[in-house]
Amino acid sequence: SQKIEQNSEALNIQEGKTATLTCNYTNYSPAYLQWYRQDPGRGPVFLLLIRENEKEKRKERLKVTFDTTLKQSLFHITASQPADSATYLCALPLSGYSTLTFGKGTMLLVSP
Amino acid sequence: SQTIHQWPATLVQPVGSPLSLECTVEGTSNPNLYWYRQAAGRGLQLLFYSVGIGQISSEVPQNLSASRPQDRQFILSSKKLLLSDSGFYLCAWELGQGSDTQYFGPGTRLTVL
Repeated sequence: SQKIEQNSEALNIQEGKTATLTCNYTNYSPAYLQWYRQDPGRGPVFLLLIRENEKEKRKERLKVTFDTTLKQSLFHITASQPADSATYLCALPLSGYSTLTFGKGTMLLVSP
Repeated sequence: SQTIHQWPATLVQPVGSPLSLECTVEGTSNPNLYWYRQAAGRGLQLLFYSVGIGQISSEVPQNLSASRPQDRQFILSSKKLLLSDSGFYLCAWELGQGSDTQYFGPGTRLTVL
């Protein structure tokens, strides 16, 4: 079956380092992929969308790559700060006409 | 600008009681609307979505139902709550076709005892 995989273990890094989170998906090749941030007790907040014809997208300290051959997206936060600590979710449509499906997310913890 | 409201923020209900959660969106017309549930330690599960007034699609069989009586109002209901209905309920909106990005409300934390 089609699914989205994100590392379930929390990622612990030191302030100032680059955090890299991974999103893998199976089977279907989506037209786009999105990343969201979720803080405890809050709804997810949209961060970035990358389309299948884009290899890389940047927004301030955030960078997303999209490798349709590997069926993988990498999400990077450079010069990470404690305020970046949150759970990051990737989301994509798992078929041509489906709604978004969200991964379970990876928790990022940035220590000062 | 667009805003999305959900209420109540928290709710504690006994098993077998009814449920009504409301979501409203301001500042946009004819949005796609979504209800998700997020159980502890689990991902977002899509429950219902709607592309217009009175149009509801259900993703999973359950004892919940949804209605869209007005363009920017989306209601999640149950006649009799189960313990397994506990979770964090999130409403989201999206501009019409081609927008792709969803914007989430603040959520309702439901505890069924």
